[in-house]
Amino acid sequence: EDQVTQSPEALRLQEGESSSLNCSYTVSGLRGLFWYRQDPGKGPEFLFTLYSAGEEKEKERLKATLTKKESFLHITAPKPEDSATYLCAVQARSGGGADGLTFGKGTHLIIQP
Amino acid sequence: NAGVMQNPRHLVRRRGQEARLRCSPMKGHSHVYWYRQLPEEGLKFMVYLQKENIIDESGMPKERFSAEFPKEGPSILRIQQVVRGDSAAYFCASSPGWGSSTDTQYFGPGTRLTVL
Repeated sequence: EDQVTQSPEALRLQEGESSSLNCSYTVSGLRGLFWYRQDPGKGPEFLFTLYSAGEEKEKERLKATLTKKESFLHITAPKPEDSATYLCAVQARSGGGADGLTFGKGTHLIIQP
Repeated sequence: NAGVMQNPRHLVRRRGQEARLRCSPMKGHSHVYWYRQLPEEGLKFMVYLQKENIIDESGMPKERFSAEFPKEGPSILRIQQVVRGDSAAYFCASSPGWGSSTDTQYFGPGTRLTVL
C-alpha cells in the first residue's frame, strides 16, 4: 500500500526564516511526486511535479527536491503570504496509466511578520 | 474561467436524502478524479473517470456512492441516503489524460457537504 508521511505537522517561522518541509514516501513504482498548497476553505493549488530522484524544481521562494525515499520543500526567506498547508502526494505507476494520488496529511505552515 | 469548476460550493442535506455534486474539468482535460477530505484527515482518493468510463473506483465506499462522467456535461458524484459521517469536503481534479506530457491533476474549489 502506498504511504506518504509529512513532517512536521505544523511549523511556525518568523518572516525571512528559511526552513524545509519533509515528505517521506513508499510507493510501488513512482510515477510522480506532487506538491500542492492549500489555503483554508479552498482546493489544493498545484506547485510542483517531480518524476525522478535528483530532480529539483524552483518557483519564487520555493524549491522542491526528490530522492528515492523522500522529497523536501525548501522555503527561502518566507513571507506571511506563504502561510498555508503544504500537501505532498505520490502517484504510482500502473499498467493502465495515471492513478489517483495518495496524499500525506500536510504541514501547516505559519509565517509570522 | 479556465479552471476546474465545482458546484454547489456548499450543500446541506438531512440524513437519508441524496446529494449530487458536480464537476466540470479544465478545458482540454478528459480525466476526472474525485477526492474526499474529512476533518483532520488528508485527502483520500475515491474514483477516477474518463468520458463514459470508470477507470478506477477502488477508493469508493461500496454502498450509496456512485460516480459518472457522461459524454456531455459535468461529472457527477452521487451519494444516496446520506449519513452524518458523509459530512466532508469533496474535491474534483482533472488532468489532460493519456498521451499528455504531464499527469498533473488540477483541483477545483470543492463542495462542502454538511449532513444534519
